Amino acid sequence: EDQVTQSPEALRLQEGESSSLNCSYTVSGLRGLFWYRQDPGKGPEFLFTLYSAGEEKEKERLKATLTKKESFLHITAPKPEDSATYLCAVQAPGAAGNKLTFGGGTRVLVKP
Amino acid sequence: ETGVTQSPTHLIKTRGQQVTLRCSSQSGHNTVSWYQQALGQGPQFIFQYYREEENGRGNFPPRFSGLQFPNYSSELNVNALELDDSALYLCASSTGTPGAETQYFGPGTRLLVL
Repeated sequence: EDQVTQSPEALRLQEGESSSLNCSYTVSGLRGLFWYRQDPGKGPEFLFTLYSAGEEKEKERLKATLTKKESFLHITAPKPEDSATYLCAVQAPGAAGNKLTFGGGTRVLVKP
Repeated sequence: ETGVTQSPTHLIKTRGQQVTLRCSSQSGHNTVSWYQQALGQGPQFIFQYYREEENGRGNFPPRFSGLQFPNYSSELNVNALELDDSALYLCASSTGTPGAETQYFGPGTRLLVL
């Protein structure tokens, strides 16, 4: 069974204080790893898709990387508007309905 | 291009009742997936519809059922509501192409069962 574990569960940062979020996964083959941002009471907003180990993608202050066992989401010089829950999900070959298996998320609070 | 929309935004039901949630997929998308997200947890896959047929199901009982219509909009029906069904219900649409495909989520419907 596919499993995704995110750490830490919560992260408090000062504005400008860079940090990294971890997503460890166990799947029988990886079709893709996805990062989403979710604001309170809203649906997840797509950030990145990573397909193979060694791949990196960037968007503004966010950079996602992928290895064979984990992914990192690096937040560089965060601003208060980066406060949100960041969700990681995997999609595996043959998964029922191309389902996404999510981790529990990391709640990030950036204080000014 | 319109995104994924869901209705209603909020709903309060009592235990034992039935509920129908609705989703309109993003333009050009023919696949709809439904997820349940309990407070403080990640979304859990309920099922997926592709071209009006169920295309996979997660570990949810049969009282969770769905439909997809020719315009690719979708409904999630839950019968005999239980208190544990209280959650944010998310709909996501995608293009249905082979390989890793990005799913785009709607704003969700918050269901409270009393």
